[in-house]
Amino acid sequence: QKEVEQDPGPLSVPEGAIVSLNCTYSNSAFQYFMWYRQYSRKGPELLMYTYSSGNKEDGRFTAQVDKSSKYISLFIRDSQPSDSATYLCAMRTPGGTSYGKLTFGQGTILTVHP
Amino acid sequence: DVKVTQSSRYLVKRTGEKVFLECVQDMDHENMFWYRQDPGLGLRLIYFSYDVKMKEKGDIPEGYSVSREKKERFSLILESASTNQTSMYLCASRSTGSSYNEQFFGPGTRLTVL
Repeated sequence: QKEVEQDPGPLSVPEGAIVSLNCTYSNSAFQYFMWYRQYSRKGPELLMYTYSSGNKEDGRFTAQVDKSSKYISLFIRDSQPSDSATYLCAMRTPGGTSYGKLTFGQGTILTVHP
Repeated sequence: DVKVTQSSRYLVKRTGEKVFLECVQDMDHENMFWYRQDPGLGLRLIYFSYDVKMKEKGDIPEGYSVSREKKERFSLILESASTNQTSMYLCASRSTGSSYNEQFFGPGTRLTVL
């Protein structure tokens, strides 16, 4: 079983839709949770960062972490064609010489069509 | 502006060749990482380095080695390339002082081994 599971999609939605992207994980030691966005032929870029449980909102994007269920989500409101990309969840444990090492989900390919 | 560069965007090599992938960052970051990205598998960590001349194996180090002689440069070496090493290779760097655990990625090298 992978430590982090993410539905690879692909996901295709009309412009203006609400998008929900999800990851589940098995390692209860994960404390830091991130979402990266990767446009075609580019490297991933950090989109959202959350420490421990709770919600974080940034414009049209909301990241949720539910540590009791080992489940994280990224919501995109009023989706735009420019949101078309691969979204990767990532997480890590605190401390140690391997600090900074991230475990990634498989990535979800999202297409928002006009 | 933060920058991670990789020596080639596309590379074609033959089975058995020794392959060098170079990564350079200009942010004075201590940590550097090599990943490979395959459809349905996401990003998998090959090796990382938390300082000059220091390295640790990631999740899939077999068939690879690395070198970090200078802080800004991290090289991935395929000693004898095989067809199952055909993949997208991504380099990333991170500051140990990063409060967001953000890794900055290069644009990737698409390697094809024939």
